[in-house]
Amino acid sequence: EVQLVESGGDLVQPGGSLRLSCAASGFTFSNYAMSWVRQAPGKGLEWVSAISGGGIGTFYADSVRGRFTISRDKSTNTLYLHMDSLRAEDTAVYYCAKTSWAMARGPFDSWGQGTLVTVSS
Amino acid sequence: DMQMTQSPPSLSASVGDRVTITCQASQDIRNSLSWYQQKSGKAPKLLIYDASKLKTGVPSRFSGSGSGTDFTFTISSLQPEDIATYYCQQYDDLLSFGGGTKVEIK
Repeated sequence: EVQLVESGGDLVQPGGSLRLSCAASGFTFSNYAMSWVRQAPGKGLEWVSAISGGGIGTFYADSVRGRFTISRDKSTNTLYLHMDSLRAEDTAVYYCAKTSWAMARGPFDSWGQGTLVTVSS
Repeated sequence: DMQMTQSPPSLSASVGDRVTITCQASQDIRNSLSWYQQKSGKAPKLLIYDASKLKTGVPSRFSGSGSGTDFTFTISSLQPEDIATYYCQQYDDLLSFGGGTKVEIK
C-alpha cells in the first residue's frame, strides 16, 4: 500500500525558512515523479513543484520559483521542499503527491495527509 | 501560461440526479487531464486520468470525456457520499488545476 507522510509544517515569520519532508513507502520511490501541491485556507489546489523520478528534472510554479527548492533522497525514500523568503501568501496545507509515472507531468495517484505551514508575525 | 477554467463553481442537485462539470483549457492539452474528488478536511483523490480512464476501484457512476480544450466530468446518479469539491488538472503544459466545483445535495 502506498503511504505518503508529510512533516515539518510550522508557524514561521515572514522572510523565514522551512523544510518540509514527505516519507514514502509501499512503492519503488525512484520510479515515480513526485510533486508538492498546496491549498490555502478555504481556497483551491495549487501545484507548487515537481521532481522527476530520477531527480534530474525539477519544475516550479511561477509563484515560488527562486524561493523554493524541491529534492529527493532515494536512500531514505524521502521527498523534500525547502522554502525560503516565506510570505503570508505561502500559508497553506502542503500535500506531497505521487505521479503515476517517472515523468513529472502526470496525474497524482496518491496523496499524503498534508502539513500546515503558517507564515505570520 | 496555461489556464484551466472550471464551471460551475458550485452546484446543488438531488440524490439520483445526473451532474456535469466542465473544464476548459486555454490551449490544446490533448487528453492530458485528470479529475479529483476532495472531501472536507481530506486530501484529494484521483478519479479519472487521461481525460476518460477510470482509476481502478472508482465507482462507474463517475466518467470523463473530451480532448483538446474542452472536457466534461459526469456523475451519472448523484449519491450522498459524492458531496465534495471536484477539481480538474492538466498535465500537458507542466501542471495546473482548475478552480474547483463544490457539489452539494439539494
